[in-house]
Amino acid sequence: GEDVEQSLFLSVREGDSSVINCTYTDSSSTYLYWYKQEPGAGLQLLTYIFSNMDMKQDQRLTVLLNKKDKHLSLRIADTQTGDSAIYFCAERADKLIFGTGTRLQVFP
Amino acid sequence: EPEVTQTPSHQVTQMGQEVILRCVPISNHLYFYWYRQILGQKVEFLVSFYNNEISEKSEIFDDQFSVERPDGSNFTLKIRSTKLEDSAMYFCASSPQEGGSNQPQHFGDGTRLSIL
Repeated sequence: GEDVEQSLFLSVREGDSSVINCTYTDSSSTYLYWYKQEPGAGLQLLTYIFSNMDMKQDQRLTVLLNKKDKHLSLRIADTQTGDSAIYFCAERADKLIFGTGTRLQVFP
Repeated sequence: EPEVTQTPSHQVTQMGQEVILRCVPISNHLYFYWYRQILGQKVEFLVSFYNNEISEKSEIFDDQFSVERPDGSNFTLKIRSTKLEDSAMYFCASSPQEGGSNQPQHFGDGTRLSIL
């Protein structure tokens, strides 16, 4: 069945780059998404990538897509303490299938 | 920027009671969704709704659950005979177009449902 997997934790120093990885199974996904969830808050859409692209850059965010390996990554440049949150990748747009979420902790 | 709003932010209910969770989707959106996140687990799809009827529902969305768009702005999730395991964060989402577009789903802040 459809599944999305992520590593559970990532800890980085402020100012460094963060890379959050995701693998998915549904090769028919037209778009793949990254959502951010801060403590006690909802799911905020960060960015998305069309499946025929292999990279998308949006300010400090870079999304890389390896469709052959079904691997998606989110790079956050110059990570700040305000980036501390849980990051979810998701596939399929009609009913989103979410990964487990990666908890990013940024320390000074 | 328009946003999806959900009320209440926290609902505490006795087991066996019925609850109604409310959502106001973004005004020009046509597709509506409910998701659930049990504490420490993945966000799970419950149901999608379009043109006043359910488009798709998951295995979780059994007869205990129902959705309704009672007027032009609200979208509700009703849970009957609540059980302890219904305790979760419930998220509403909406999108202007059908899935697979560059118009992703936008989520509300969620309602935390606690069943005692």
